[in-house]
Amino acid sequence: EVQLVESGGGLVRPGGSLRLSCTASGFTFSLYEMNWVRQAPGKGLEWISYISSTGGAIYYTGSVRGRFTISRDNAKNSLYLQMNSLRVDDTAVYYCARDRGVPTAKGGFDYWGQGIKVSVSS
Amino acid sequence: DIQLTQSPSSLSASVGDRVTITCQASQDISHFLNWYQQKQGQAPKLLIYDASNLETGVPSRFSGRGSGTDFTLTISSLQPDDIAAYYCQHFAILPFSFGQGTKLDIK
Repeated sequence: EVQLVESGGGLVRPGGSLRLSCTASGFTFSLYEMNWVRQAPGKGLEWISYISSTGGAIYYTGSVRGRFTISRDNAKNSLYLQMNSLRVDDTAVYYCARDRGVPTAKGGFDYWGQGIKVSVSS
Repeated sequence: DIQLTQSPSSLSASVGDRVTITCQASQDISHFLNWYQQKQGQAPKLLIYDASNLETGVPSRFSGRGSGTDFTLTISSLQPDDIAAYYCQHFAILPFSFGQGTKLDIK
């Protein structure tokens, strides 16, 4: 069974840092591109970052570029999001999502984690 | 960056109604569009991929159409279990993006 489990969320003050982890199981993690998506309270989905299967290609949305760093460890079946210089408007539920495009030639984020809450407040 | 505009932003319909949600891209994205359903308190679920393909396990009352810049998600006969928010998402080129969402409820 495919599972993605996020951890590392919590409450942090503005300007602080957090590191989110997403641990994958039930599939060959190293074959899949991965993404982080967030959802602010009462708002819609916002794609924030992508990493290729090898980690060689990385992209960010403009609002987090320079503050957030996506990475992965295929040996540990894990995806990470290092979040620095956090702002109040980074408060959201953060999801990791599997992108099945490369191994299957079908579009879509087909598996999502349960989401982890990040709250930035003084 | 490619922008996706969904309409309507909210919709109330009766059980059995045919419901259509539209998604317009700011530039040609061919068929590189997916649709997701998100129920309250849950992670999103993939419904339609590559504009018109039904994801495995999704009821056949859901369908997707379109290419280029104009896309639709249709529920042929609305069921109480369909109460959710619906999002389109493009994957034509990075950065990916989602539409702003459509909240659907039952009259």
